[in-house]
Formats: sequence, structure tokens, C-alpha cells
Amino acid sequence: DAGITQSPRHKVTETGTPVTLRCHQTENHRYMYWYRQDPGHGLRLIHYSYGVKDTDKGEVSDGYSVSRSKTEDFLLTLESATSSQTSVYFCAISESEILCQPQHFGDGTRLSIL
Amino acid sequence: SQQGEEDPQALSIQEGENATMNCSYKTSINNLQWYRQNSGRGLVHLILIRSNEREKHSGRLRVTLDTSKKSSSLLITASRAADTASYFCATALFMETSGSRLTFGEGTQLTVNP
Repeated sequence: DAGITQSPRHKVTETGTPVTLRCHQTENHRYMYWYRQDPGHGLRLIHYSYGVKDTDKGEVSDGYSVSRSKTEDFLLTLESATSSQTSVYFCAISESEILCQPQHFGDGTRLSIL
Repeated sequence: SQQGEEDPQALSIQEGENATMNCSYKTSINNLQWYRQNSGRGLVHLILIRSNEREKHSGRLRVTLDTSKKSSSLLITASRAADTASYFCATALFMETSGSRLTFGEGTQLTVNP
């Protein structure tokens, strides 16, 4: 398995609180991604990173921000959590984008916002 | 917007039978990838087929791609109880302005009964 660790694995929090999810990789891959998975929607891209301090928005970026200060860490922050952000969040990494190579996924963070 | 759509949404078969899942998509692609997701885990890459390929095999997996019909199928032969999982197709497209993107369908839930 690719060395990807997501933390925490489970979190329950209240509406309006800030939440930060962490993705840590040991593969030294350049590209990192945050997805959310919801019934009826499959996986949707939130934000991605193509290098340290280089990030861009995905399909469903509203209400989320990201940061990448080191190659191995990619943080996803919900500044003020809402119930619509209850979901399972997956981090993924990829070695190359130009060749559209497969992505390797972490085991997810299940986030519940009450 | 969702690119891939899997069919059927759910499939239940007996051990030893073959399982076929289909995926349709709407735009051009560089390649198409299939992933498996076990309950409570992240997605695992199974097989990648390039847009200029028509068929690819990997162990008990056979993938076909018909770019004229914008469709793909995944065949799992001689299924086992351990094949029980959700299966997702993902279309990959590289664009100069936005890099490489994977767009996932909603998945097929496969249940293999012992």
C-alpha cells in the first residue's frame, strides 16, 4: 500500500467550528488531492496541489481551504463547518499528472457536523 | 459534473460466476481507470486502459474500451467472496490549463455470495 496516512480517521464536531484534516505521504509524490465522497455523487475533487505552496481549486471548493508547506503534508481546512460538509474525505497522491497516472488513496476521514 | 456513470448500481452474484460492470462517459479522455473500494477503506487502483487501447487484461480482470460509444466494461471472472466491494470507473483527461483530472462515477456495489 502507498504510504498515505489521514488523520483523524473520525471526527464529530458542531456547526460553525473550524476543522482541519491532515494528509501525510511518505512517497515523495508531487501531486496531492482532496476529495469528498457522498451517496449519489461519487467522489468529487475539492482542492489539489501540484507542489509545495502550489494549490488550486477543484469542483467543490467553496467553504474549504488547503495548505501545503511540505511535500509530505496536505491540509484541508473547513473554516466554519456546516452540516452540508458532513462527508467522508479522501486524500490521494499521484506521481505524474501529464501521463494521467493512477492515484493512490488514503483510508479516509469520516466527518460528522452536527 | 459527473463524467462516468456505472451500470448497474448494484450486482449480486454467486461465487464462481462472472461479474460485468459498465461505465459510460461524455467527453474525450486520455485514459480510463477502474478502482475498487472495500467498505470503510480508500479506493485501490485496479487497471488503466488508454484511449488507443480496446482491451486489457490483468489476472481475473478484463477491461474493454469503446471510444466511439464512450463506454467501458469491467469483467471479473470466477468471482470470489473477497471481490465484494464497490467498483468505480474514472475518466482521466490532461489539459494544459488545468492539468490532469480524474472524474469518478458513482460506482457499482458488487456482492459475491459464498
